[in-house]
Amino acid sequence: EDQVTQSPEALRLQEGESSSLNCSYTVSGLRGLFWYRQDPGKGPEFLFTLYSAGEEKEKERLKATLTKKESFLHITAPKPEDSATYLCAVQAAGFQKLVFGTGTRLLVSP
Amino acid sequence: DSGVTQTPKHLITATGQRVTLRCSPRSGDLSVYWYQQSLDQGLQFLIQYYNGEERAKGNILERFSAQQFPDLHSELNLSSLELGDSALYFCASSPRSQIPDTQYFGPGTRLTVL
Repeated sequence: EDQVTQSPEALRLQEGESSSLNCSYTVSGLRGLFWYRQDPGKGPEFLFTLYSAGEEKEKERLKATLTKKESFLHITAPKPEDSATYLCAVQAAGFQKLVFGTGTRLLVSP
Repeated sequence: DSGVTQTPKHLITATGQRVTLRCSPRSGDLSVYWYQQSLDQGLQFLIQYYNGEERAKGNILERFSAQQFPDLHSELNLSSLELGDSALYFCASSPRSQIPDTQYFGPGTRLTVL
């Protein structure tokens, strides 16, 4: 069965303090790995799609990378507005459904 | 704003009742997905429709059903509601039926069953 595990569950950073979030996965035939940001009570907001090991994508202070077993979301010099829950999801061969991890709750203090 | 709309935003009802949640996908998207998010389960896939036809089923209870109409909007019907059905229900849409395909989520409907 496809599984996604995210760590840490929660992360508290000072503004400007860079860090990384981890998403490890077990899936039969990965077709895509997705990162979403979710604010409390809101819908997940799409950030990145990664398709193959070695791929990297960047958007403002965020950079996502992918290996054969895990993905990292690197946050450089975060700001308080980056506070949110970051969700990782995978799409396996033959299935369009997304399998989500439970997320990392990020809090960035000024 | 993802372009996916959901109504209503909030729904409060009693056990045993039936409710209907509505979703309009992004313009041009043919696939619609429904997900349930509860505190202890995270986001769980319920069901997918593509261009009016059911394409895949996840952990959807028999008390729940869905459909996609010719104008591509979708409705999720929840009946004989139980306390444990209280959750956020999200609709997502994507352009195609191929893999991979990025899904864009709506703002959700918060269902509270009392």
